[in-house]
Amino acid sequence: GAGVSQSPRYKVAKRGQDVALRCDPISGHVSLFWYQQALGQGPEFLTYFQNEAQLDKSGLPSDRFFAERPEGSVSTLKIQRTQQEDSAVYLCASSLALGGLAKNIQYFGAGTRLSVL
Amino acid sequence: KNQVEQSPQSLIILEGKNCTLQCNYTVSPFSNLRWYKQDTGRGPVSLTIMTFSENTKSNGRYTATLDADTKQSSLHITASQLSDSASYICVVNPLLSGGYNKLIFGAGTRLAVHP
Repeated sequence: GAGVSQSPRYKVAKRGQDVALRCDPISGHVSLFWYQQALGQGPEFLTYFQNEAQLDKSGLPSDRFFAERPEGSVSTLKIQRTQQEDSAVYLCASSLALGGLAKNIQYFGAGTRLSVL
Repeated sequence: KNQVEQSPQSLIILEGKNCTLQCNYTVSPFSNLRWYKQDTGRGPVSLTIMTFSENTKSNGRYTATLDADTKQSSLHITASQLSDSASYICVVNPLLSGGYNKLIFGAGTRLAVHP
């Protein structure tokens, strides 16, 4: 596709359920980021992949959160034993080149809105 | 404490009018500052990117300014249109040794343009 694609767009989970959120980045993009956006707030960094390597997971809120990108393209964010505080929009972004370039633009998907009841 | 603060939190203007959104940041050192537009239910879209040595950047009716000494940036929208209704987010890219763009987002200004 032409842009970053995320699925599902909406996910309702009962507290304690496991969920998996998918991100299809723009083809050929090396860098992939996951963000969490609470209602009325800006996105907050969760984790970063360079190809298949997860180089930074410092933003993951707890060990219930796990992300992978096994073949360096599609990525999955998994949340185990969901809690109400996990309710948010989860955004994925990809960029073409490696980081450190001033004009390296991140292209965002539309996000997955997760509601934990 | 937020490292990127934006004001106002929300703003209503009439179609055709101009407006200016403010951003104050404490991130230092930083590599570049970006403004993003986020429509409801969509992901953010980049409007402008300025390095610390640039003090203005335009993209059509959008003009961003940067004062690295006072750590302030603004986004000016000229001749607003209904389609400008969105959240505008100020984003700072800190200068990290890791080399990747670990962006820090403000909470955004929610702009509503009314006919």
